[in-house]
Amino acid sequence: DVQLVESGGGLVQPGGSLRLSCAASGFMFNTYWMTWVRQAPGKGLEWVANIKQDGSDKYYVDSVKGRFTISRDNAKNSLYLQMNSLSAEDTAVYYCARRSRNMDFDFWGQGTLVTVSS
Amino acid sequence: QSALTQPRSVSGSPGQSVTISCTGTSDDVGGYNFISWYQQHPGKAPKLMICDVSKRPSEVPDRFSGSKSGNTASLTISGLQAEDEADYYCCSYAGSYTLVFGTGTKVTVL
Repeated sequence: DVQLVESGGGLVQPGGSLRLSCAASGFMFNTYWMTWVRQAPGKGLEWVANIKQDGSDKYYVDSVKGRFTISRDNAKNSLYLQMNSLSAEDTAVYYCARRSRNMDFDFWGQGTLVTVSS
Repeated sequence: QSALTQPRSVSGSPGQSVTISCTGTSDDVGGYNFISWYQQHPGKAPKLMICDVSKRPSEVPDRFSGSKSGNTASLTISGLQAEDEADYYCCSYAGSYTLVFGTGTKVTVL
């Protein structure tokens, strides 16, 4: 079965950094685009970033460009999100998702909560 | 990258049908047939319900259907059931390998 398990969330001060991880299993990780989606408390879903199968292409929502970096290690079946210069507006549950052959997200992790607060 | 517009809430009695709209622009919804819909129960991860405007993954009941006209996509739930009470989000490809979600709609089963 496909499984995506996020980790690395927690409490961080404004201006700080955090690295999220997503461990994938049950499918050929290196053949899929992967994605991070976030959801602020009580709010809707927001697409954050995409990364191509080999890591060569990466795309971001404007609000995180220059601060967040998506990456992957296909040897470890893992996806990452390095988050720098964090602000309260980045407080959210961050989901790792597999992007299907088209543009939808067919499997999701359970999410990891990031709280930015002093 | 503005969020697609959905009604805040819709409701219906068991057995009835409800339709959720998702309005964007010609740069997203109107420009591509990469429209998907997600169901999210409280405290849970989203679940894919519709992809490519109107295709249903095999495990999704055929009570769920999707369509698109111009810059507006729609999700219809026929024969509403108690377990359909959840939040629903549309999502569209917006070009340049970016995607945008809708604002979300809470479906209440009366």
